[in-house]
Amino acid sequence: AQSVTQLDSQVPVFEEAPVELRCNYSSSVSVYLFWYVQYPNQGLQLLLKYLSGSTLVKGINGFEAEFNKSQTSFHLRKPSVHISDTAEYFCAVSEKAAGNKLTFGGGTRVLVKP
Amino acid sequence: NAGVTQTPKFQVLKTGQSMTLQCAQDMNHEYMSWYRQDPGMGLRLIHYSVGAGITDQGEVPNGYNVSRSTTEDFPLRLLSAAPSQTSVYFCASSYRAVPGTGDEQYFGPGTRLTVT
Repeated sequence: AQSVTQLDSQVPVFEEAPVELRCNYSSSVSVYLFWYVQYPNQGLQLLLKYLSGSTLVKGINGFEAEFNKSQTSFHLRKPSVHISDTAEYFCAVSEKAAGNKLTFGGGTRVLVKP
Repeated sequence: NAGVTQTPKFQVLKTGQSMTLQCAQDMNHEYMSWYRQDPGMGLRLIHYSVGAGITDQGEVPNGYNVSRSTTEDFPLRLLSAAPSQTSVYFCASSYRAVPGTGDEQYFGPGTRLTVT
């Protein structure tokens, strides 16, 4: 069985500062990796995903993530955040051979301060 | 396209009552799923479907039933509500159900359920 750990439950950050959200996973098989964002009182939407190939993945709204197979990590970064980035961010994995079932981390709440 | 729609947005139930959460998608997606979201636990998979007539259990299926008679609809039934089922429920869908595609899932806006 796989599991996903998001090491920070809350991350306060000032506007225009960089942010990094950490995600580690455990799995005995090959996986796909995803980051989703949830704005207040909304559903989740995809920020980016890693399927194969280049380990640096670029997503929407200036976010990027790097897959590190040896450390089983998929950390999310943004060089300069905006107030509108205040949201909860979820890391998720799915096994390549097991269809679309997602296993989510516990989420990281990002609060951007002016 | 409306995408993934869910009704109702909010619901309050008494312990022991039953109800159905509705989910529909208009994107002709093969795969549909139900998750529950609880603070600090992320989202957990309740049930999923890879096509009309085919459903299977996820991580936390107890107390819930599903059916998929059409490609578009995937209702979630609570048989006898319990306070432990107080949560936010999300329906999601993705284009293909076959393994090895990595298709993203599209989420509905959620149903906030309180069981007293």
